[in-house]
Amino acid sequence: DAGVTQSPTHLIKTRGQQVTLRCSPKSGHDTVSWYQQALGQGPQFIFQYYEEEERQRGNFPDRFSGHQFPNYSSELNVNALLLGDSALYLCASSKGLVITGELFFGEGSRLTVL
Amino acid sequence: SQQGEEDPQALSIQEGENATMNCSYKTSINNLQWYRQNSGRGLVHLILIRSNEREKHSGRLRVTLDTSKKSSSLLITASRAADTASYFCATDGRGYSSASKIIFGSGTRLSIRP
Repeated sequence: DAGVTQSPTHLIKTRGQQVTLRCSPKSGHDTVSWYQQALGQGPQFIFQYYEEEERQRGNFPDRFSGHQFPNYSSELNVNALLLGDSALYLCASSKGLVITGELFFGEGSRLTVL
Repeated sequence: SQQGEEDPQALSIQEGENATMNCSYKTSINNLQWYRQNSGRGLVHLILIRSNEREKHSGRLRVTLDTSKKSSSLLITASRAADTASYFCATDGRGYSSASKIIFGSGTRLSIRP
């Protein structure tokens, strides 16, 4: 039973560029949540996708956008990268619109913006 | 913004001792969860306690919840070197839709000295 997989694991970009991160949820899960975790901080909620729609959004600018595909996998896109976007981006999956249990996390994508 | 705040931010104890971490949160919850994160990796779910529960055990873990004080504690008994990690509390919260999202605290960095 495959868990949550994320790609790429590491990437380096320069300011102003755009990046796309990918996530495949755990088998049987249909909800994907994305988090940004700066070094030494807790994960900050970016947004959540269910049935191919954004259902919840945290306090992040419109430069952060996402998508969910019919197979429940998801992408996180960040445009016009800033130095402050350097972080570990975590994807978590769960089942159903209302989260009543645990989240299952991938190992994350480490983004460095130079 | 963080829903929960952990205390202490960092904790260093001798192997074999007990470790206690506290979490305070701001709004009403349906459940509270604790997660563990090894350096730079994804988060792993440890235990979930529902708002109508006061205490829960899982192996060497004991979690308490006081909804009147909006606080929770995580006790790890007989600590081991492998317990060295960051620990986060997480609470659910309803957003602008009927969906829910999981919001994480800032974490406690636990170091176990041999």
